[in-house]
Amino acid sequence: NAGVTQTPKFQVLKTGQSMTLQCAQDMNHEYMSWYRQDPGMGLRLIHYSVGAGITDQGEVPNGYNVSRSTTEDFPLRLLSAAPSQTSVYFCASSSAGTSNEQYFGPGTRLTVT
Amino acid sequence: GDSVTQMEGPVTLSEEAFLTINCTYTATGYPSLFWYVQYPGEGLQLLLKATKADDKGSNKGFEATYRKETTSFHLEKGSVQVSDSAVYFCALWRGSTLGRLYFGRGTQLTVWP
Repeated sequence: NAGVTQTPKFQVLKTGQSMTLQCAQDMNHEYMSWYRQDPGMGLRLIHYSVGAGITDQGEVPNGYNVSRSTTEDFPLRLLSAAPSQTSVYFCASSSAGTSNEQYFGPGTRLTVT
Repeated sequence: GDSVTQMEGPVTLSEEAFLTINCTYTATGYPSLFWYVQYPGEGLQLLLKATKADDKGSNKGFEATYRKETTSFHLEKGSVQVSDSAVYFCALWRGSTLGRLYFGRGTQLTVWP
């Protein structure tokens, strides 16, 4: 099992550029989430999904889009990057039957200049 | 709404010292409670959990007891090691919120030899 994988590990974007952060899990988990981590702010939920075809907004969804066409994949799209989106992004997954014990990917460090 | 409050860091200790990191929560019903640990440059890993009142979670010498009467889940370790240096996050989950975890802001622990 690879667990939760994220690509890329590092990325630098210019303001206004778009990109997709990839997330995949091989544990057949129903739930997947995207968080951003900023100094002193802990982890804040961006979007989450409770199954293929079902997504919902978290605390800080503006500027981000998601879709969940398969159980395994949950990409996060930045449509027009802004410096305020400079952060470390974590993807997580969990099974519906395990009290939401979440497994995290290694993170993507994004810098927007 | 649901929320988690944990003690501000950073916490600096000498090796073999006793550790306590306070965590209190606000939630209706009976949430599950978690401690996650993040080592430098890595994603979060589940350290321990408790799913009902008076449960004690334990792992790697760390313990935390789910106290419903004080809405607390304090993390303790009797003798810390340099290798315990990391950021620790308290989190809660209610079944009705499906895939959402609510995190505290994290506490940075540094242990000196």
